[in-house]
Amino acid sequence: DVQLVESGGGLVQPGGPLRLSCAASGFAFGSYWMSWVRQAPGKGLEWVANMKEDGTEKHFVDSVKGRFTISRDNAKNSLYLQMNSLRDEDTAVYYCARVTYYFDSYSSSGVWGAVDFWGQGTLVTVSS
Amino acid sequence: DIQMTQSPSSLSASVGDRVTITCRASQGINNYLAWYQQKPGKVPKLLIYAASTLQSGVPSRFSGSGSGTDFTLTISSLQPEDVAAYYCQKYNSAPWTFGQGTKVEIK
Repeated sequence: DVQLVESGGGLVQPGGPLRLSCAASGFAFGSYWMSWVRQAPGKGLEWVANMKEDGTEKHFVDSVKGRFTISRDNAKNSLYLQMNSLRDEDTAVYYCARVTYYFDSYSSSGVWGAVDFWGQGTLVTVSS
Repeated sequence: DIQMTQSPSSLSASVGDRVTITCRASQGINNYLAWYQQKPGKVPKLLIYAASTLQSGVPSRFSGSGSGTDFTLTISSLQPEDVAAYYCQKYNSAPWTFGQGTKVEIK
């Protein structure tokens, strides 16, 4: 079975750093795009970042650009999110997520998109 | 960036009712749209991708339609276990923005 297990969350002061990890199992991790998605308490989902299977392409939401870095170690089946200069508004549950690949008849090509598996999430609280 | 707007933000319907949630993109995204269900206290679950393709294992009362800028998630006969928040997400290009969500309750 596909499993994604996040770790590294906790309480951090504004301006501080935190590194999240995601341990993947049950699938060929090195063959999938992966994402981080967060959810502030009582709020909706916010896509944060994603990374291509070989690490050569990555994207971020504007609010974290220059502060967050996404990386992966395919040999360890692990995804990471390095968060620096944390702000109160970064307080959220952070989910590690696998991106699905499918053949799109509309474009007659393969497409990476949508998240088909989610971890249980790890809570990051930014507060003094 | 393309904005995703869902409506309504919440709704209350009776068991057996047909429920429709809409998602509008500020620019065309072809069919690169997914729908998710998040039950209270649970992790989100993929319902539909490519605007209308039902994810494996999802009940057939759920369906999606649309292309371009206007999309719809329909629950053909609302069940008590469908109480949840529903989100659309675009993935044609980064950022893969979510809609703000629609909360569905039983009347």
